[in-house]
Amino acid sequence: GENVGLHLPTLSVQEGDNSIINCAYSNSASDYFIWYKQESGKGPQFIIDIRSNMDKRQGQRVTVLLNKTVKHLSLQIAATQPGDSAVYFCAENNAGGATNKLIFGTGTLLAVQP
Amino acid sequence: DAGVTQSPTHLIKTRGQQVTLRCSPKSGHDTVSWYQQALGQGPQFIFQYYEEEERQRGNFPDRFSGHQFPNYSSELNVNALLLGDSALYLCASSLRLYNSPLHFGNGTRLTVT
Repeated sequence: GENVGLHLPTLSVQEGDNSIINCAYSNSASDYFIWYKQESGKGPQFIIDIRSNMDKRQGQRVTVLLNKTVKHLSLQIAATQPGDSAVYFCAENNAGGATNKLIFGTGTLLAVQP
Repeated sequence: DAGVTQSPTHLIKTRGQQVTLRCSPKSGHDTVSWYQQALGQGPQFIFQYYEEEERQRGNFPDRFSGHQFPNYSSELNVNALLLGDSALYLCASSLRLYNSPLHFGNGTRLTVT
């Protein structure tokens, strides 16, 4: 399958610990952000999104934090499980209302140790 | 409820040839976007279609073209293939609404030899 983990920053955590994956985005005009999970051989899977008028949003076991001052986005995963092992991408939309054109970051490989 | 489906899953072509990749969007979605993902990198936007027209385009040459059909399905065509076109090609569908999330298929792995 597709090995998307080559040359990527890697975060290694123990099963059960909390994980924090960070992302610096490029455009201060971006107003919508998404986190995706990509497993080997599969396409990116939607995890959670956040609009620029918010600074925090929670889902099931995941929380996204947005700091517009420093153009920083983070994804927190609670009680990390082996099934969370994948490459995680942040993406931003800075199309100014025109369309949904996502710009992806380089990705972080999350490795969960049992 | 079927998600985004793409075909074929794998394809091997020779330099100079042409290729057509196909995508069926998630049920209820009317907008299709295509992305290219090189090994170890994030997906890069190629173009987006809705109402059967190309609405926005990324930094890709004219060798890359597409089409959207009345049933919202889409094709990506690449002419005069280069070795550098080897990548995972991802289709994503969404609602036309601004800032609606994109849902991706599992992609077509294209290898150019």
